[in-house]
Amino acid sequence: AQKITQTQPGMFVQEKEAVTLDCTYDTSDQSYGLFWYKQPSSGEMIFLIYQGSYDEQNATEGRYSLNFQKARKSANLVISASQLGDSAMYFCAMREQLSSGSARQLTFGSGTQLTVLP
Amino acid sequence: DGGITQSPKYLFRKEGQNVTLSCEQNLNHDAMYWYRQDPGQGLRLIYYSQIVNDFQKGDIAEGYSVSREKKESFPLTVTSAQKNPTAFYLCASSKRAGSTDTQYFGPGTRLTVL
Repeated sequence: AQKITQTQPGMFVQEKEAVTLDCTYDTSDQSYGLFWYKQPSSGEMIFLIYQGSYDEQNATEGRYSLNFQKARKSANLVISASQLGDSAMYFCAMREQLSSGSARQLTFGSGTQLTVLP
Repeated sequence: DGGITQSPKYLFRKEGQNVTLSCEQNLNHDAMYWYRQDPGQGLRLIYYSQIVNDFQKGDIAEGYSVSREKKESFPLTVTSAQKNPTAFYLCASSKRAGSTDTQYFGPGTRLTVL
């Protein structure tokens, strides 16, 4: 079974509008971390935002916020006031903490290609 | 400035040749990682290292080898045993290897086998 599912291969948004990129995850662990990365056409992966499984408040980082719904196992990324420079591939990722104290490795979804229209 | 550097940016290799990709970080991070990305897909873990002189296989280690002799450096060798090595390779590091530790990535190396 997929650990991270991103169901939107491509999304379009008008400049200055908000957009939500979906991410659902599958884990039986209680402790885990959720991450979002942006990958522009240059290829570099840019860290955007992190949400811990025990964090009660949704994470925010500038124009990025993470809509964390633990019971539904979803961690959607919300980008407010979209800019042309936001056009990129966006990846959701999860890292589970094992009871032994070590962590499983980071698992990535297949990504969503966001295009911001002028 | 602190960061992760990868070299070269583009690499061409003939079939049957081994090639080594460089990854250096000056963030004083303990953990380092190598990922492979194929077109239109997410990242898959090749190898990772939590401390110097120690490394573990990821999901797709066959045909690859690594070393971790220094904290700052984690080179990846793509051997002739790797059947389909053409891909984009990304190196990452994190302060530790826990679930809350953010991984930061280098700019990547695009390898093409001719």
